[in-house]
Amino acid sequence: GAGVSQSPSNKVTEKGKDVELRCDPISGHTALYWYRQSLGQGLEFLIYFQGNSAPDKSGLPSDRFSAERTGGSVSTLTIQRTQQEDSAVYLCASSLRSPGTSSSYNSPLHFGNGTRLTVT
Amino acid sequence: RKEVEQDPGPFNVPEGATVAFNCTYSNSASQSFFWYRQDCRKEPKLLMSVYSSGNEDGRFTAQLNRASQYISLLIRDSKLSDSATYLCVVALTDSWGKLQFGAGTQVVVTP
Repeated sequence: GAGVSQSPSNKVTEKGKDVELRCDPISGHTALYWYRQSLGQGLEFLIYFQGNSAPDKSGLPSDRFSAERTGGSVSTLTIQRTQQEDSAVYLCASSLRSPGTSSSYNSPLHFGNGTRLTVT
Repeated sequence: RKEVEQDPGPFNVPEGATVAFNCTYSNSASQSFFWYRQDCRKEPKLLMSVYSSGNEDGRFTAQLNRASQYISLLIRDSKLSDSATYLCVVALTDSWGKLQFGAGTQVVVTP
């Protein structure tokens, strides 16, 4: 079946411009996550959605970053006034249920292929 | 101090050998543990969950040591296709959705 879909796969933008990254999770998955990964680095948590609400936004690095999820499905991550340090691969993942619940072990994260953002 | 720490490696392993490595976590209240695998320039994929009693999946064995706050992954009879970066993932009890990823341990299996 269809996996997590992210678009665009690559985005090159000029410093100071705004960008929107899109994530289409697996149908029926209630939890959605945004991470970013810089070259040679681990995954950095950005934000997590349960349904349409975002219980945890603690990973957003600055107020230039925002995310929303509508209809419990598609999510967009918006970066305003991009900076060069924003360059990274932005990964979206979804899961059927939230990890940490009693049944979470049968609900792994499924990642999309990511959006490679380059800010010049 | 990072919440999840891993030896970055690389661990160079001859084909057919056994390799094992650990991951330490700082939050003693952590409840859920996973190993993910990430191939070069690809997305992470779940390798296996880690249960309190330890668990095995084919050539892979995962262990959890709560007292010392680490999890381990052992790969037996290594295959060339096992070459990847292995990510340790921990879920915190105070924020169910916020999985903490380690930076990964690189394993290189050589012929």
